[in-house]
Amino acid sequence: GENVEQHPSTLSVQEGDSAVIKCTYSDSASNYFPWYKQELGKRPQLIIDIRSNVGEKKDQRIAVTLNKTAKHFSLHITETQPEDSAVYFCAFSTGRRALTFGSGTRLQVQP
Amino acid sequence: DTEVTQTPKHLVMGMTNKKSLKCEQHMGHRAMYWYKQKAKKPPELMFVYSYEKLSINESVPSRFSPECPNSSLLNLHLHALQPEDSALYLCASSYDSSGPQHFGDGTRLSIL
Repeated sequence: GENVEQHPSTLSVQEGDSAVIKCTYSDSASNYFPWYKQELGKRPQLIIDIRSNVGEKKDQRIAVTLNKTAKHFSLHITETQPEDSAVYFCAFSTGRRALTFGSGTRLQVQP
Repeated sequence: DTEVTQTPKHLVMGMTNKKSLKCEQHMGHRAMYWYKQKAKKPPELMFVYSYEKLSINESVPSRFSPECPNSSLLNLHLHALQPEDSALYLCASSYDSSGPQHFGDGTRLSIL
């Protein structure tokens, strides 16, 4: 069945450092890869997404890279700030089904 | 308007009660979703409606009954729930079933 592995489960960085979270998926038909940020007690918020016809997408301090051959995609956050602290979920879909979420990464940015 | 609105924000109910969760969006999205999220876990898909028709039911127990009265509204009717059903229930919508999903704030449900 559809599966996605997300690593690491927790990540602690110093303010200003970069953070990288990686997800590996199993279904080669996957064509849409969003990343969500969820702060404590709040909704999952879409922060960036990428489709399978693109290898990289950037939005200010956030970037996503996709390696279709290896079936993995990564979230890169540069110049981290304390307000980046949250749980980050990767997800993917094949277009025929709704999203399958990764297990989440708790990012803590130390001031 | 880029919001998905869910009511109520909190709900406490007994195992014999009947209640409903409501979700509304006015973005013209044609796909709407119910998710269940337990603490420290990712959202788990329950139901998908596409063009007001139920397209996916992820083997959810019949004590959860979804309803889509129109393209802007999605309900989740609850009856005879169990304590393990206590969770955050999230509604989401997207332009179509393959597009970016936008979530509401959720209803935090507690079953006594």
